[in-house]
Amino acid sequence: QSALTQPASVSGSPGQSITISCTGTSSDVGSYNLVSWYQQHPGKAPKLMIYEGSKRPSGVSNRFSGSKSGNTASLTISGLQAEDEADYYCCSYAGSSTSFGGGTKLTVL
Amino acid sequence: QLQLQESGPGLVKPSETLSLTCTVSGGSISSSSYYWGWIRQPPGKGLEWIGSIYYSGSTYYNPSLKSRVTISVDTSKNQFSLKLSSVTAADTAVYYCARRAVAGLGHWFDPWGQGTLVTVSS
Repeated sequence: QSALTQPASVSGSPGQSITISCTGTSSDVGSYNLVSWYQQHPGKAPKLMIYEGSKRPSGVSNRFSGSKSGNTASLTISGLQAEDEADYYCCSYAGSSTSFGGGTKLTVL
Repeated sequence: QLQLQESGPGLVKPSETLSLTCTVSGGSISSSSYYWGWIRQPPGKGLEWIGSIYYSGSTYYNPSLKSRVTISVDTSKNQFSLKLSSVTAADTAVYYCARRAVAGLGHWFDPWGQGTLVTVSS
C-alpha cells in the first residue's frame, strides 16, 4: 500500500481557480469511484469536502468540485477565497485498505 | 449530531503500548452503514490511515502497522479503541478517530474527533 501522490503546494489569487491532482494506481483510484477529499486548517481536524469523486456533502460550497480520469483524481476550487487557504488531502478506497495522499498546501496569494 | 472524542495518555515511553479510546455520542456505533477508524498525523506531516473496525468486530489494518496494531470495539459503551505496541519516537502524532462510511455508501470519513497529541518520549 503506497500513499497517493499529490503536489506539495499550489497557489492562486482570489477569484481564480486551482486544481489539485491525486495520483494512485489501478488498485485504488483507478479501480473504484471512491475518492474523497478533505480540507484541514492549522490545528483543526480534517473536514470532508468531496466524496465518491465528485459529490459534495451538505453545506460544502459549490465552488468545490471533483473529478477522476484513470488513476488520477482531481479537486478544483473555483472563485478562490482567502478562507480556502488550507491543506487538502485525497483519500481512496483500496479494497481491504485505505490510502491517503501526502497532502497539498494551498496558498491564496 | 454525531460527535467523536478521543481520550488517553498524552505521553508514552518508547517500547511501551499506546492506548486510546474514542467515545461516540449522538448516535449508535452499531450501525450497519459505518466503520470506525483511526488516522494519525505526525507533526508537520500528512494523514496516515491506521485501521478501521465494524461494530461486529471485523477489522482492517494498514499493512505497514498491522504487526503492532489492535483495534477493538465495545458496543455497550459506544466506544472503540486503539492499541499500538512497541512505540518509538516515529509514532509521535496527533491521533484522530472518525466514522467511515462503508464502501457501498462512499467510503468517506466524517465526522472526525478533534484529535489528541500523543508524544513518545522517555
